[in-house]
Amino acid sequence: QKEVEQNSGPLSVPEGAIASLNCTYSDRGSQSFFWYRQYSGKSPELIMFIYSNGDKEDGRFTAQLNKASQYVSLLIRDSQPSDSATYLCAVNRGGSARQLTFGSGTQLTVLP
Amino acid sequence: DGGITQSPKYLFRKEGQNVTLSCEQNLNHDAMYWYRQDPGQGLRLIYYSQIVNDFQKGDIAEGYSVSREKKESFPLTVTSAQKNPTAFYLCASTPREQGHRNGYTFGSGTRLTVV
Repeated sequence: QKEVEQNSGPLSVPEGAIASLNCTYSDRGSQSFFWYRQYSGKSPELIMFIYSNGDKEDGRFTAQLNKASQYVSLLIRDSQPSDSATYLCAVNRGGSARQLTFGSGTQLTVLP
Repeated sequence: DGGITQSPKYLFRKEGQNVTLSCEQNLNHDAMYWYRQDPGQGLRLIYYSQIVNDFQKGDIAEGYSVSREKKESFPLTVTSAQKNPTAFYLCASTPREQGHRNGYTFGSGTRLTVV
């Protein structure tokens, strides 16, 4: 079992719809969770982070964390064509090393 | 502006050649990391360093070497022992404070191709 798993997609949604991206992780000791957006040929950029169970909202983005079920999700409301990218889920392994383990990413396409 | 600078952006390596990828940051971050990304895949950790003159192997360190002589710099050498080096290499850093709550700041990456 991979440490961090994501559906690879591709996921296509129409413009204005809600895009839902999911991620599961295997290490129950994981403490913090991150969503990165990566455009083709570019480096990842941090868009959301969450530490506590529940929802965290930032503009059109909502991160959801359920530690009991070991999943974290990202909702993108009012999706725009500019949201088309690969979304990487990353999990902090905890401890002093501050290492992030990344999923393989979900490719999202928002259709005009 | 603070950030991480990776160079070169593109690098071509001949068989049996060692090459060094540069990573410099002016964010005053303590920890620095090297990741490798293959097409359609996530990032895999090569090496990381939390303080000057100390570094640790990640999940795929074979065929790579690093040094951390200065806080700002964390160069990665891809040696001839790395049999499949063609990939996108990403350098990242994070500050010490707030512990596990820090995400990474990434450089713009180096795309290495074996010719």
